[in-house]
Amino acid sequence: EVQLVESGGGLVQPGGSLRLSCAASGFRLSDYWMHWVRQPPGKGLVWVSRINNDGSGTWYADSVKGRFTISRDNAKNTLYLQMNSLRAEDTALYYCARDADGPGGTSDYWGQGTLVTVSS
Amino acid sequence: DIVMTQSPLSLPVTPGEPASISCRSSQSLLHSDGNNYLDWYLQKPGQSPQLLIYLASNRASGVPDRFSGSGSGTDFTLKISRVEAEDVGIYYCMQAQQTPFTFGPGTKVDIK
Repeated sequence: EVQLVESGGGLVQPGGSLRLSCAASGFRLSDYWMHWVRQPPGKGLVWVSRINNDGSGTWYADSVKGRFTISRDNAKNTLYLQMNSLRAEDTALYYCARDADGPGGTSDYWGQGTLVTVSS
Repeated sequence: DIVMTQSPLSLPVTPGEPASISCRSSQSLLHSDGNNYLDWYLQKPGQSPQLLIYLASNRASGVPDRFSGSGSGTDFTLKISRVEAEDVGIYYCMQAQQTPFTFGPGTKVDIK
């Protein structure tokens, strides 16, 4: 069974940093591209970032470019999102999602999310 | 960026009756490979999103056949042939053609 479990969220002050983790099981992480998607409280879904199989290719939303870094450790079956210079508008539930391994950016499995709150 | 719009934003439904949601993109999602890069996701209350339809008309694994997707280019539709109580939630379309991938605002479906 495919499972994605996010962790690392919490309360952080503006300008601070957090690193999110996504532990994958039930499949070989190295076979799949991965995404981070976020959802501000009471609002819709916003794509954040994508990484290819071996980490050599990364893509970001303009709103996080230069502040967030997506990475992966395939040996540990774990995806990461390093978030620096956090702002109030980064407050959201952060989901990791598995790319469907076809053309395009479809995500076929999603974790339950980890909540990031940026506030003083 | 490709802008996605949906209508209606709220859809009260009667169990057993059909339902339909429209999604439009600001640019064509028809790729030269013949695929339309449009997905539909359902976020049930208190849950994470789940994939319903990919490449505009392909049902994801385990999705009941009462769900169907259609459309091409910039206009797409999700249809539920007979709504069941478990279908309540927010439906999002998403363009999967190019980064940044972008979602529609969502259509909230609930029971009348």
